[in-house]
Amino acid sequence: ETGVTQSPTHLIKTRGQQVTLRCSSQSGHNTVSWYQQALGQGPQFIFQYYREEENGRGNFPPRFSGLQFPNYSSELNVNALELDDSALYLCASSPFGQGVDEQYFGPGTRLTVT
Amino acid sequence: GEDVEQSLFLSVREGDSSVINCTYTDSSSTYLYWYKQEPGAGLQLLTYIFSNMDMKQDQRLTVLLNKKDKHLSLRIADTQTGDSAIYFCAESIENTDKLIFGTGTRLQVFP
Repeated sequence: ETGVTQSPTHLIKTRGQQVTLRCSSQSGHNTVSWYQQALGQGPQFIFQYYREEENGRGNFPPRFSGLQFPNYSSELNVNALELDDSALYLCASSPFGQGVDEQYFGPGTRLTVT
Repeated sequence: GEDVEQSLFLSVREGDSSVINCTYTDSSSTYLYWYKQEPGAGLQLLTYIFSNMDMKQDQRLTVLLNKKDKHLSLRIADTQTGDSAIYFCAESIENTDKLIFGTGTRLQVFP
């Protein structure tokens, strides 16, 4: 049984650029959620993907978009990066509808926008 | 909208008890959760409490829930240096697995 993995671990981008972050879900998990954790803050829900479609979205602008692939892995894309996008991006995978106690978080990708 | 608040910092001596507090606003949450975050590691679910309970004990952890005041606390007995981390309380959005997290409490344990 493999855990949730994310890549890359760290990333530095320039304001205005675009970035893609990746998440591989735990074996058997078909749902992926993404969170943004700014420095000194709690994680904020961005969106969730199930069956390759968005299944709920938090208060984030459209320049935050995602994809889920048939193998349940997922990407988070952010366009037109802003300085405030600097944060730790966490993904979590779970079996759909099974509850939070079946959800596991990855270690995160640290994004720095300069 | 929903909001979850916590005190920012707590420092305790090894062997003492730690109490981390949280207030939340969404009274419809069925479950409330406590997570632990250590540097370089993902969020780890520590424990959770069903909203119709007022206390849950799990080894060294005790969760207390006051629904009337929308107050949640996590007590860690016999706190160890390995307990040093950031602790988040969380509630679920519309009783799904989508979560609203508090601001986090950094627990520092000194010998």
